Amino acid sequence: DAGVTQSPTHLIKTRGQQVTLRCSPKSGHDTVSWYQQALGQGPQFIFQYYEEEERQRGNFPDRFSGHQFPNYSSELNVNALLLGDSALYLCASSDRDRGAQETQYFGPGTRLLVL
Amino acid sequence: AQSVSQHNHHVILSEAASLELGCNYSYGGTVNLFWYVQYPGQHLQLLLKYFSGDPLVKGIKGFEAEFIKSKFSFNLRKPSVQWSDTAEYFCAVTAYSSASKIIFGSGTRLSIRP
Repeated sequence: DAGVTQSPTHLIKTRGQQVTLRCSPKSGHDTVSWYQQALGQGPQFIFQYYEEEERQRGNFPDRFSGHQFPNYSSELNVNALLLGDSALYLCASSDRDRGAQETQYFGPGTRLLVL
Repeated sequence: AQSVSQHNHHVILSEAASLELGCNYSYGGTVNLFWYVQYPGQHLQLLLKYFSGDPLVKGIKGFEAEFIKSKFSFNLRKPSVQWSDTAEYFCAVTAYSSASKIIFGSGTRLSIRP
């Protein structure tokens, strides 16, 4: 049973560029959430996708956008990259039918470095 | 707004010592509570979770946590640590009414001396 997978594992971009990160959820999960983990910090919630729509969003600017596909996989897009966007980006998947007992399982992350 | 505080940034213990990592959260309503662990070079893994019922929750690898509602706390414990427990530990909370958004603490780095 494959867990959450993310690609690429590492990425280097320059300021002003755009980046797309990808995530495939754990088998049986239909919901994908994205988090940003800066060095030495806990992960911060960016947004969650369910039924191909953004359902909830954290305190991140519109430069951060996403998409969910019919097969439940998801993309995170970041435009106009800033140095401060350098971080580990984590994808987590869950089963929305669990409702209030939703448990999220995390992928290995994509480490983004902005120069 | 919800928040999670982990007061110990770095804890150093010898093997076989007992462990307790503190976690306090700020939220007035019903919450779900989690401890996640990040071993060196590995992804974030769920250690244990509390949704309701018995406030003493047992997780994997001999870890347990106790939910004390009056203290807004969810401390992680292990009676005897091993070198392999060296990792970063994150306490996290979701509001019962909004289980999608996990709020994480800043983490506690645990180093075990062999």
